Order: sequence, then structure tokens, then C-alpha cells
Amino acid sequence: IQMTQSPSSLSASVGDTVTITCRASQDISSSLAWFQQKPGKAPKSLIFAASSLQNGVPSRFSASGSGTDFTLTISSLQPEDFATYFCQQYDGFPFTFGPGTNVDVK
Amino acid sequence: EVDLVESGGGLVQPGRSLRLSCAAFGFNFNDYAMTWVRQAPGKGLEWVSSISGNGASGGSTHYADSVKGRFTISRDDLKNKVYLQMNRLRAEDTAVYYCAKSPGYSSNYFDSWGQGTLVTVSA
Repeated sequence: IQMTQSPSSLSASVGDTVTITCRASQDISSSLAWFQQKPGKAPKSLIFAASSLQNGVPSRFSASGSGTDFTLTISSLQPEDFATYFCQQYDGFPFTFGPGTNVDVK
Repeated sequence: EVDLVESGGGLVQPGRSLRLSCAAFGFNFNDYAMTWVRQAPGKGLEWVSSISGNGASGGSTHYADSVKGRFTISRDDLKNKVYLQMNRLRAEDTAVYYCAKSPGYSSNYFDSWGQGTLVTVSA
């Protein structure tokens, strides 16, 4: 299953709302996760089952979608949110990740 | 608190072997699936291999095509460790290798990640 993300990068300011899109090459139901990664650091799990927040993830993060089309939205972007975001399908092996979306400072 | 600590990375020549370890703390290790994910320098994330917890599927394993036949994932539930035995290493295996924990005995999404260990394959 191929995963694509758009945009590949975006520039935003603190307080902005940003939306990232992830698309699967076939129906994966709700078997989708989102991760955040900062340079030189391990990924951090944000979302599972397409729309469920991991424990401790701020409520400004939200996600939706099912089937092949998914979105991650960050409301009121905070300084610590500038990072790269990846989606990942776990509907079946091999698990596959999207190429990432880099969110940087405008 | 869950903690995953990888070790065993380093510089290795092409064709040689290396074994990575991931020590797990803060949860009942044998109940949970574990996975290795890698990231080549400047690149995205690539799933490598998963092993289920000791539920109904009893330690079943899965591999990416790129490592099948060369890498072996295993677990020692007495030591709370998961391993990745990497044989016949290639330059394209150069990456930071992360271990990740799933929330149940079946491999699916990940709720915790280790800090990673760097493997460099070069002559």
C-alpha cells in the first residue's frame, strides 16, 4: 500500500491552523496513524485509528478520514509544533509510511 | 513509564553482521508486539520488521521485502528485550534504527518509540 502526503512542506506562523493530507493507494479503513518528528529525535506518536489522540497529545491536534483519504489538522500552531509529520498505514503488512510533511516557520 | 532503549549500532563493513537490541522498561513486555523502524540519513521512515506478543499468534514475525532473508527479529521475554539480527549488510541498510511498541499483542500502530541507534555500513 503506497502512502502519499501533501503538501511536502508548508510555512506557517504561530497561531495558524494547518492541515496535512495523507492518501492511501487502497482502502485501509481507519488503520492510520500520525507521527511528529523533530530533527535528530525519535518520532512521537500523535494519532491512531485515524482520529484518536494518543495520551498526552494536546487537543489542538485533530485528525479525520477513512478509506483512502485522511487529514491531520493543527489548530493554533505553537512554537513546539514546527516539525515533520508522517502518516502510516497499519491495515496490513508491509506497514508503510508517507514521505512526510515539513512544517516550518514562515 | 514506558522506556525503550536501543543499542548495538555502529560502523560495520558491507557483508558483515550486526545485532541490535532494544531493552524495554515500564510495561509487561511479553504482552506487546514490538517493531523495528529505520530512517536513512535525510530520508523518511521505513518499517523493517515486527514480532507479535505472546497472545494467540504466539510471536509471529513479519519483514519488509528489503530485509527478508537477511534480518531476523526475535524477543526474549525473560530479559524484556527485542533483537534485530542483521546479516549480509549493505550500504543501503545505513540508517537510524528505532524500536517501537504496539498497544497490544498484535502489531499495528505504535504508542512508544526508543531514541534510536545508528548503523553505518561502509568499507
